[in-house]
Formats: sequence, structure tokens, C-alpha cells
Amino acid sequence: GDSVTQMEGPVTLSEEAFLTINCTYTATGYPSLFWYVQYPGEGLQLLLKATKADDKGSNKGFEATYRKETTSFHLEKGSVQVSDSAVYFCALSPYSGGGADGLTFGKGTHLIIQP
Amino acid sequence: GAVVSQHPSWVICKSGTSVKIECRSLDFQATTMFWYRQFPKQSLMLMATSNEGSKATYEQGVEKDKFLINHASLTLSTLTVTSAHPEDSSFYICSAYPHEQFFGPGTRLTVL
Repeated sequence: GDSVTQMEGPVTLSEEAFLTINCTYTATGYPSLFWYVQYPGEGLQLLLKATKADDKGSNKGFEATYRKETTSFHLEKGSVQVSDSAVYFCALSPYSGGGADGLTFGKGTHLIIQP
Repeated sequence: GAVVSQHPSWVICKSGTSVKIECRSLDFQATTMFWYRQFPKQSLMLMATSNEGSKATYEQGVEKDKFLINHASLTLSTLTVTSAHPEDSSFYICSAYPHEQFFGPGTRLTVL
């Protein structure tokens, strides 16, 4: 079946550092890929998505590119802020429809940004 | 906009009792809602997909007689854990789909 593997944390960085959170997946067909963010006490929020190969999703300074050849969707940000501290989940939907189906999630990466 | 609420946020019950968890879309209508389960330090696992007015579709390995799902309206889905046992203790999360999945904050169930 489908699966998502992401680096486990916690990941601790200083403010303004460069961030990469690795995510790789296995799936048949042409999945859609997502990054969700969960702040303390809140539900998961969609951060960005990509529905086909070579698409780049971006939002709030975060970017991720759908790489079919390496089955990856790594999350990056050039300069992190303390407010970026949260848990980040990589996920996939089995179809290119963009989330109308149940999602398969990675285990989540806890990101801690220190001032 | 696009707020999903869950009630209760935390529930403790005795083994053998049933617990109902509500998932509401507060400012939109959702034809499809999903229920996930999350164990500590584990990923969210899809339990079932519910469409308004029809029976839920359960993932393989999820006991449909233990986890009863009712999607009675376009803004409400309920998950009832019947005859709960300590192994059912977990974090249950719902999401509602109009054009993307919007997630509730989750319900922590502890079965004593």
C-alpha cells in the first residue's frame, strides 16, 4: 500500500536558519502530495500541495517540489522564524484530485525554532 | 473560515462503555468527512470515509461494528466507539472536505 516517510524530530534550529524536512513516498499511480502544519492545540492546516510531477507548492515562505523520479516532496524554507515552531506532516492522496480521498500521512516532524 | 470543531476534546470512560465523538463543520457544508486515528509518535491512520446520507466506508482492519460512523447532515458526523477497551485509547481526528480537507483539533479518548 501507499506510505510516506519523513524525517523524525525534533528538529531544532536557530531563527533565520535554512530549513529542510525530508519526505519520500511510495504509491502507485499519480498521487497528490501535501504538507500540513499543526500548531499546539489546533487542527492540522494545509500548508501547501502539489498535484502532479514537477509542480512546486508554496505558501508563507515554504516550498516543496513534487519529484517523481526520486519520489520525494521535501519541505524547505530559506529563513525560519520562531512562529514556525510546530509539527509538520507530509501526506499523500492516491489520486491527482487533490485531497478528495483519505490521506496517508508520515509520522510528523516536530520543528523547534530558537530565538 | 473553514472551521471544523470536535466535541469533546478529551474524554475518559470506563471499559465497556460507549463514547460518541462529534465532528462539525461550522461555516461550510461537507459532503465527505474522514475519521483518522493517531497513536503517540505515530502518523494519522485513516479509519473511514463518510458521505452524507450513506454508509461509511471503512479501511481494512477497522471494525465497523466497534467504530460506528453516522454522517446525518452536511455539517455533522459522529464516531461512536462501542464497548470501549483500553486498546481503543487514542487521539481521534476528523476532517471535512469541500475542496480540501479541513481538520478538527482532535479528541483524546482514554479508556480505563
